[in-house]
Amino acid sequence: AQSVTQLGSHVSVSEGALVLLRCNYSSSVPPYLFWYVQYPNQGLQLLLKYTSAATLVKGINGFEAEFKKSETSFHLTKPSAHMSDAAEYFCAVSYYNQGGKLIFGQGTELSVKP
Amino acid sequence: NAGVTQTPKFQVLKTGQSMTLQCAQDMNHEYMSWYRQDPGMGLRLIHYSVGAGITDQGEVPNGYNVSRSTTEDFPLRLLSAAPSQTSVYFCASSYSRTQGEKLFFGSGTQLSVL
Repeated sequence: AQSVTQLGSHVSVSEGALVLLRCNYSSSVPPYLFWYVQYPNQGLQLLLKYTSAATLVKGINGFEAEFKKSETSFHLTKPSAHMSDAAEYFCAVSYYNQGGKLIFGQGTELSVKP
Repeated sequence: NAGVTQTPKFQVLKTGQSMTLQCAQDMNHEYMSWYRQDPGMGLRLIHYSVGAGITDQGEVPNGYNVSRSTTEDFPLRLLSAAPSQTSVYFCASSYSRTQGEKLFFGSGTQLSVL
């Protein structure tokens, strides 16, 4: 079955450090890819999405992600972490042959230390 | 502009009880869906609807019923609650089912089944 895998259920960085959250998908069929963020006790919000245009996608709050077909990856990065970035981050994919349904990864909880 | 509204925010049930989780959106979205979120498992699709009168099963539909009599509302029914249904439930909607469409999420319902 087609799926998406997030490496690392918890990531901890210091304020000002690089944030790198990893996401890999498992299909040779080009997917649409998304990163969503969930702040405590809230629903999910879209950070950014890749829909077969530019491979480097810029999102809100200084986040960006690069689609690498050869590595089947869509890792999320931010050059300098802020305390307010502490949240849970979900990678998600949708495939044409699954009617556009969104499949979520397991989530990565990001902690930011002062 | 309320977006996606879920009620209640919290609910405790006893095994065997029934209840309905309400979801309403005011954005005239065609596509609505229900997810459950469990620790370490990301979000899993329960049921979805591509328009009034049309519903279909997602990844984990057992124990849940849905209906879509209007564009705005998409209630989720638990007919006989079980402890395995203890979870956080999210309703989400988008303009269409087209790949790449952004999902708008409600703030969630935390359900405990004792």
